[in-house]
Amino acid sequence: SQQGEEDPQALSIQEGENATMNCSYKTSINNLQWYRQNSGRGLVHLILIRSNEREKHSGRLRVTLDTSKKSSSLLITASRAADTASYFCATAGHNQAGTALIFGKGTTLSVSS
Amino acid sequence: DARVTQTPRDKVTEMGQEVTMRCQPILGHNTVFWYRQTMMQGLELLAYFRNRAPLDDSGMPKDRFSAEMPDATLATLKIQPSEPRDSAVYFCASGRWGDTEAFFGQGTRLTVV
Repeated sequence: SQQGEEDPQALSIQEGENATMNCSYKTSINNLQWYRQNSGRGLVHLILIRSNEREKHSGRLRVTLDTSKKSSSLLITASRAADTASYFCATAGHNQAGTALIFGKGTTLSVSS
Repeated sequence: DARVTQTPRDKVTEMGQEVTMRCQPILGHNTVFWYRQTMMQGLELLAYFRNRAPLDDSGMPKDRFSAEMPDATLATLKIQPSEPRDSAVYFCASGRWGDTEAFFGQGTRLTVV
């Protein structure tokens, strides 16, 4: 079952522009993670933000988390053609058995030069 | 360079045949996830293990799917009998128990004809 829902489903921008992707989730979480997937490849971890954090930066990436709204955003600044990929949010919660990563359906980002 | 290794990378099989997918997690990781990715459903969590013990396999069709970890260096996902609707990319991911990132393999692309 899906926990997170990314918005928009697809995003097309020009090199140098900023790209913002949003993620909404349903249940309480321990942390939220963003992953990237290039076509035909596995997912690669980008950044993790814990439930008690509100903002986190890593290079050109900025992630925010609003637990009251159950939402997160990923901002990629000064985008490059190499940023073209699908981006997924994943939530890690606690259930009776332990922690599982549940992914949304992703945002497909296309950056043209 | 530590990585999750999945075999085979591609598999084409006829309906009704048994399919076994293998995964070698990163040495030292004690959590293993199996995901299935399709265009329609996105990334679905099938099962996950901690210290080789299955924690949750509720995402798997129990009548035909089975997941095991014979030892700490091998995880298997078996489908018997396979059906065309099982066609998808199957990903294995590993990590350390707790709220840290998951490392993905390159996936097994399964086509059932």
